[in-house]
Amino acid sequence: EDQVTQSPEALRLQEGESSSLNCSYTVSGLRGLFWYRQDPGKGPEFLFTLYSAGEEKEKERLKATLTKKESFLHITAPKPEDSATYLCAVDSGAGSYQLTFGKGTKLSVIP
Amino acid sequence: GAGVSQSPRYKVAKRGQDVALRCDPISGHVSLFWYQQALGQGPEFLTYFQNEAQLDKSGLPSDRFFAERPEGSVSTLKIQRTQQEDSAVYLCASSLVLSGDTQYFGPGTRLTVL
Repeated sequence: EDQVTQSPEALRLQEGESSSLNCSYTVSGLRGLFWYRQDPGKGPEFLFTLYSAGEEKEKERLKATLTKKESFLHITAPKPEDSATYLCAVDSGAGSYQLTFGKGTKLSVIP
Repeated sequence: GAGVSQSPRYKVAKRGQDVALRCDPISGHVSLFWYQQALGQGPEFLTYFQNEAQLDKSGLPSDRFFAERPEGSVSTLKIQRTQQEDSAVYLCASSLVLSGDTQYFGPGTRLTVL
C-alpha cells in the first residue's frame, strides 16, 4: 500500500527564515511526485511535479527536490504570504491513477 | 483559461437527505477525479473517470455514494441518505491525460450533515 508521510505537521517561521519541509514516500513504482499549496477554504493549488530521483524544480522562493525515498520543499526567505498548508502527493503507477496524499505541513510565516 | 469549478460551494443537509455535487472540469481534460478531504487531513481518492467511463471507484466509502459523467465533461457526485460521517470537503480534479499528469483541483464543496 502506498504511503506518504509529511513532516513537520506544523512549522512557524519568522519572515526571512529559510527552512525545508519533508515528504517521505513508500510506493510500488513512482510515476510522479506532486507538491500542492492549499489555502484555507480553497482547493489545492499545483506547485511542482517531480518524476525521477535527482530532479529539482524552482519557483520564486520555493525549490523542490526528489530522492528515491523522499522529497523536500525548500523555502528561501519566506514571506507572510507563503503561509499555507503544503501537500505532497504521489502517483504510484500501481495500475490506478489516483494521487495518494500526505496530511500536509501547515506553514505560518510571522512578519 | 477557466479552471475547475464546483457547485455548490457549501451544502448543509439533514441526516437522511440526498445531495448532488457538481464538477465542471477544465475544457478538454480527459480525466476527472473526486476526492474527499476531512478536516486537517490530506485529500483521499474516491473515484475517477476517463471521458465518460468510470474506471476506478474503489475509494467510494459505501454504496450510498454514486458518481457519473454521462457526456465526458461535467460530473456529478451523489450521496444518498447522508450520514454525519459524510461531512467533509469534496474536491474535484481534472487532468489532460492519465499517467503522471498534473491534476488541477477545484475549490471544493463543503458538505455539512446535521
